[in-house]
Amino acid sequence: EAAVTQSPRNKVAVTGGKVTLSCNQTNNHNNMYWYRQDTGHGLRLIHYSYGAGSTEKGDIPDGYKASRPSQENFSLILELATPSQTSVYFCASGDIGDQDTQYFGPGTRLLVL
Amino acid sequence: GEQVEQRPPHLSVREGDSAVITCTYTDPNSYYFFWYKQEPGASLQLLMKVFSSTEINEGQGFTVLLNKKDKRLSLNLTAAHPGDSAAYFCAVSVSSNTNKVVFGTGTRLQVLP
Repeated sequence: EAAVTQSPRNKVAVTGGKVTLSCNQTNNHNNMYWYRQDTGHGLRLIHYSYGAGSTEKGDIPDGYKASRPSQENFSLILELATPSQTSVYFCASGDIGDQDTQYFGPGTRLLVL
Repeated sequence: GEQVEQRPPHLSVREGDSAVITCTYTDPNSYYFFWYKQEPGASLQLLMKVFSSTEINEGQGFTVLLNKKDKRLSLNLTAAHPGDSAAYFCAVSVSSNTNKVVFGTGTRLQVLP
């Protein structure tokens, strides 16, 4: 079964600070995703990647950057965190050959003060 | 782009009763369809995926119905028990070979003893 891990699991940041959320997967999946989850919105796609070195903008990329240095690792970077970015962030991985199925990490709860 | 509407946002049933959650989508070219379960404070776990028109899939205590003609996906928990209390999300693939999905806004199900 898919193994996706995230760190940190909880983070408190100050407004204007830089935040990096990390995701690691051991499934050798090509694709990785970052979502945020907010009440009333479900999961919304921030950035995704088709493989090492690639990043693509999702539906709500403003205020976020992404980095995919390797097959296993995908980071989400908030250069200047704002309180509106307080949310729960989920990383997922998947492969086209698996019928678009995505496997999720445990989530990171971010609070920006 | 694809839009997914999920109803109801909240659902409370008694133990042993059935619970039905429905999603409608807009893109007739959508290819794969998913139901995820999220227990409080936890990640999303795949319940079932379907991809054939008018497909009925039965799992452990639930049935998934896909009607591509009506662009409707439903999850029916046939005899709910307290362990089914969770948030449920449908997801629809944007198109084949992209591995991108759009999520519904979720249904929070409470099963009362």
